[in-house]
Amino acid sequence: RKEVEQDPGPFNVPEGATVAFNCTYSNSASQSFFWYRQDCRKEPKLLMSVYSSGNEDGRFTAQLNRASQYISLLIRDSKLSDSATYLCVVNKGSARQLTFGSGTQLTVLP
Amino acid sequence: DGGITQSPKYLFRKEGQNVTLSCEQNLNHDAMYWYRQDPGQGLRLIYYSQIVNDFQKGDIAEGYSVSREKKESFPLTVTSAQKNPTAFYLCASKRGTGEKLFFGSGTQLSVL
Repeated sequence: RKEVEQDPGPFNVPEGATVAFNCTYSNSASQSFFWYRQDCRKEPKLLMSVYSSGNEDGRFTAQLNRASQYISLLIRDSKLSDSATYLCVVNKGSARQLTFGSGTQLTVLP
Repeated sequence: DGGITQSPKYLFRKEGQNVTLSCEQNLNHDAMYWYRQDPGQGLRLIYYSQIVNDFQKGDIAEGYSVSREKKESFPLTVTSAQKNPTAFYLCASKRGTGEKLFFGSGTQLSVL
């Protein structure tokens, strides 16, 4: 089993739709969780950190479920510019133990 | 403006050749990382360095070498021992106690 698993998609949704991605992690000692966004052949950029209490940033909401060992990302009112690959990242606490999922591809259609 | 600069953007390697990818940062970050990304895959850690003159192997270090002679610079050499070097290479850095990774814009390496 991979340390961090994501549904690769692709998710094709119409503009204005709500879409949710899940990411599961295998190591219960994981301490920090992040969602990164990556456009094709570009560097990943931090979208948001994920906190135990859940957090929201505009149209984006991230949730953490430690008991079931998954994190989620909800995007409301999808825009064309949201089309990208979303990477789930888990940090077990030391410098090297930052593990990336393989990404979920989202395409928002006009 | 502070940031991380990777060069070149595109690089071609002939069989049996060593090539070096450059990574420079002016963020005064202690830790620097090299990742490899294959199509449809996540990032895999090649090498990392937490301090000058010290570096550690990541998950896929075979066929690669690095140096960290200056805080600002962390070049990656893809040696001839790396038999499948075609990939997108990303350099990143972060503050010692921080968690946010700052990425360079990447180098696409292809084999001729």
